[in-house]
Amino acid sequence: NAGVTQTPKFQVLKTGQSMTLQCAQDMNHEYMSWYRQDPGMGLRLIHYSVGAGITDQGEVPNGYNVSRSTTEDFPLRLLSAAPSQTSVYFCASSYQASRRNEQFFGPGTRLTVL
Amino acid sequence: AQSVAQPEDQVNVAEGNPLTVKCTYSVSGNPYLFWYVQYPNRGLQFLLKYITGDNLVKGSYGFEAEFNKSQTSFHLKKPSALVSDSALYFCAVRDTPGSGNTGKLIFGQGTTLQVKP
Repeated sequence: NAGVTQTPKFQVLKTGQSMTLQCAQDMNHEYMSWYRQDPGMGLRLIHYSVGAGITDQGEVPNGYNVSRSTTEDFPLRLLSAAPSQTSVYFCASSYQASRRNEQFFGPGTRLTVL
Repeated sequence: AQSVAQPEDQVNVAEGNPLTVKCTYSVSGNPYLFWYVQYPNRGLQFLLKYITGDNLVKGSYGFEAEFNKSQTSFHLKKPSALVSDSALYFCAVRDTPGSGNTGKLIFGQGTTLQVKP
């Protein structure tokens, strides 16, 4: 199994540009989520999904959209990038949303918005 | 509200010595606790979890953690540290999904472990 994969690894955008961060998992996990990691602030939840066709907002959803058309994929879209979105983005998945289940993380995407 | 605290920003240990990374928690109901490790420029890797049963939980890379209900602690331990153990360690509890909760992981602030040769 490849686990959780993310592309790209690095990205530089200009303010106002849009892009999609890709996330895929091959473990047939129902629950998927996106976090951003910023220095001194730990990981914060952006959006999450408990299954195909179902998404919901986390702590910091503004400026981001998600969709979940398949179990495997959970892309994160930045509609109009802002410097405040400079961060490291992690996708994670787990078998179910149950709190017994550990989440598995992708390698991250380091995004810089100029 | 559920929370996790890691009281030490950094722990320094000599290679070969035992290490402890501390974690305390505040949760409603039964605590389901996790430890993750993050190596530089890498994603978080799951180390171990406590769900129920034995208070001493064994995980990856020789790590173990001791659950102490009376002290509400879940300290990470290793009998003999390696230089390659140097990384950022996170203790976490998973939010209960539903009723406005997201099922997210609630992390401690992280502890940097530095193992010196």
